[in-house]
Amino acid sequence: DTAVSQTPKYLVTQMGNDKSIKCEQNLGHDTMYWYKQDSKKFLKIMFSYNNKELIINETVPNRFSPKSPDKAHLNLHINSLELGDSAVYFCASSQDPGVGYYGYTFGSGTRLTVV
Amino acid sequence: KQEVTQIPAALSVPEGENLVLNCSFTDSAIYNLQWFRQDPGKGLTSLLLIQSSQREQTSGRLNASLDKSSGRSTLYIAASQPGDSATYLCAVDHMNTGFQKLVFGTGTRLLVSP
Repeated sequence: DTAVSQTPKYLVTQMGNDKSIKCEQNLGHDTMYWYKQDSKKFLKIMFSYNNKELIINETVPNRFSPKSPDKAHLNLHINSLELGDSAVYFCASSQDPGVGYYGYTFGSGTRLTVV
Repeated sequence: KQEVTQIPAALSVPEGENLVLNCSFTDSAIYNLQWFRQDPGKGLTSLLLIQSSQREQTSGRLNASLDKSSGRSTLYIAASQPGDSATYLCAVDHMNTGFQKLVFGTGTRLLVSP
């Protein structure tokens, strides 16, 4: 009955590789997000999708490509991984503001280590 | 540009103390404010959500207040326990060109000693 689930939980890979992180939410929320938590523990938004449409792209390098096949799924594909991509990536979802709004729900995170 | 600041950055208290964590934000155009807890190596757990029309929310020993006009929120923890040790994150749901965007503060690392 996990609300927002991400896989994998840990990902260790070499520089130059391509990898994907998957996210699924069963809350019926309209909007999904990817956040990055850097080594200083600061959380910053990368992308958001509303009903499968990209609505926010926070000047993230083109090597990062999100894909939303339906409003319950948001995946993140990263090409040509670099050392600086090492971080924890969090998926989140939220309902549109209004009746029944309960804020944002986050997944447990994917710790990506590039070696 | 919305900026969120949390003070103090770290706090160490003995068990049983009441404590206050502070959060300030620069742009009052927010949908709501949410407090999270993050344990080391773990995800984010939502503690309290205060919608923009509300002044405070309470859950158990936690009470959060919101003063939108002055750009401030406080999280009050009563009778602190060692299990409260974690990083507490304040985040504002900011209106960004008509779309929601959660902007996080830098966090307060809390240690409650037995």
